[in-house]
Amino acid sequence: EIVLTQSPGTLSLSPGERATLSCRASQSVSSSYLAWYQQKPGQAPRLLMFGASSRDTGIPDRFSGSGSGTDFSLTISRLEPADFAVYYCQHYGSSPLTFGGGTKVEIK
Amino acid sequence: QVQLVQSGTEVKKPGASVKVSCKTSGYTFTNYVLNWVRQAPGQRLEWMGWIDAGTANTEYSQKFQARVTITRDKSASTAYMELSSLRYEDTAVYFCARGGYWGPGGSAFDIWGQGTMVTVSS
Repeated sequence: EIVLTQSPGTLSLSPGERATLSCRASQSVSSSYLAWYQQKPGQAPRLLMFGASSRDTGIPDRFSGSGSGTDFSLTISRLEPADFAVYYCQHYGSSPLTFGGGTKVEIK
Repeated sequence: QVQLVQSGTEVKKPGASVKVSCKTSGYTFTNYVLNWVRQAPGQRLEWMGWIDAGTANTEYSQKFQARVTITRDKSASTAYMELSSLRYEDTAVYFCARGGYWGPGGSAFDIWGQGTMVTVSS
């Protein structure tokens, strides 16, 4: 099973700042089958990125993803108030599918 | 628009079973896989398994293999997840999620249900 470790656990930033979130895999994720989700309290997760760097439909271009192998990142170029939430990575390159533990982006 | 609507809150005793439904609309049901993912309080998201809505083929996480059954009713465009031999630690929100982007192990989940709270309590 691939274990995904996200860092930092919490990121305290102000609106307008840049956020960089990390997701490290215990084994190489084949062909970058890595997704990122945003989750707000009491809501279901929302898909942001798939294939490590492809934005899902309707996701603003301030969100970008990169990485390959075992190291992946999600960058939010300029934080807006709606972006303060918990972010999870998930791999789908092999079974079982697993998620990271999440990074909370909070208002400083 | 594409929607997944789940059944309501459940409270069960230890040892009982629970069956959660996920009614889909807005797309061709048989063209996609439906997954079940749970989130226990303060825990990370946990994938339980999926069903190919067209063929009814399933794949389960080894952790849940012995206790979970995922089925579908094509005529109702609905998928079901039944979890048996419930334990206190099965208390969680259970989500269904459509497999929108496919990979060798499964998929990224592009549409999610609203979640169903299952509480296991004596």
